[in-house]
Amino acid sequence: GDSVTQMEGPVTLSEEAFLTINCTYTATGYPSLFWYVQYPGEGLQLLLKATKADDKGSNKGFEATYRKETTSFHLEKGSVQVSDSAVYFCALSGGAQKLVFGQGTRLTINP
Amino acid sequence: DTGVSQDPRHKITKRGQNVTFRCDPISEHNRLYWYRQTLGQGPEFLTYFQNEAQLEKSRLLSDRFSAERPKGSFSTLEIQRTEQGDSAMYLCASSLTGEISGNTIYFGEGSWLTVV
Repeated sequence: GDSVTQMEGPVTLSEEAFLTINCTYTATGYPSLFWYVQYPGEGLQLLLKATKADDKGSNKGFEATYRKETTSFHLEKGSVQVSDSAVYFCALSGGAQKLVFGQGTRLTINP
Repeated sequence: DTGVSQDPRHKITKRGQNVTFRCDPISEHNRLYWYRQTLGQGPEFLTYFQNEAQLEKSRLLSDRFSAERPKGSFSTLEIQRTEQGDSAMYLCASSLTGEISGNTIYFGEGSWLTVV
């Protein structure tokens, strides 16, 4: 079945550092890919998405490119802030239209 | 436009009791989903509705769990005879099918269940 594998955390960075969180997937067909963010005690917020190969999703300085050849959707940000501290989930949506999530990566940014 | 809302946000119950969670999706969203999330894990799919029809149920949804969406608007998730293993956050989400919307799924803030 469909699955998502994320870089294991936790990840700790200093403010203004470059961020990469790796995500790879296994799916039949051509899924849509998503990054969701979860702040402490809250539900999930959609961060960005890409619906076809080579699409780049972007939001709030975060970017991810749908790479079909490497089945990857890595999340990047050029300069992180303390307010980016959260848990980040990579997910895919296949033909059944339901989301399959990775295990999440906890990110902590120190001032 | 309000988002997905869930009630209650927190529930503590004794083992063996029944609990019910309510979800109000984004207005006019025809799909509604329930997920479960335990500490340190990603959300796991439980079930989803298109309008009032329940189209898919995960094997995670044991016989003690039942979900309804009687008029195709709000939904309820009931857990009967709760067990400690049911302690988790129950997330509701909704989406609008169609190319324009991109079928993006929006989540509520979740309902935390603690079974003692």
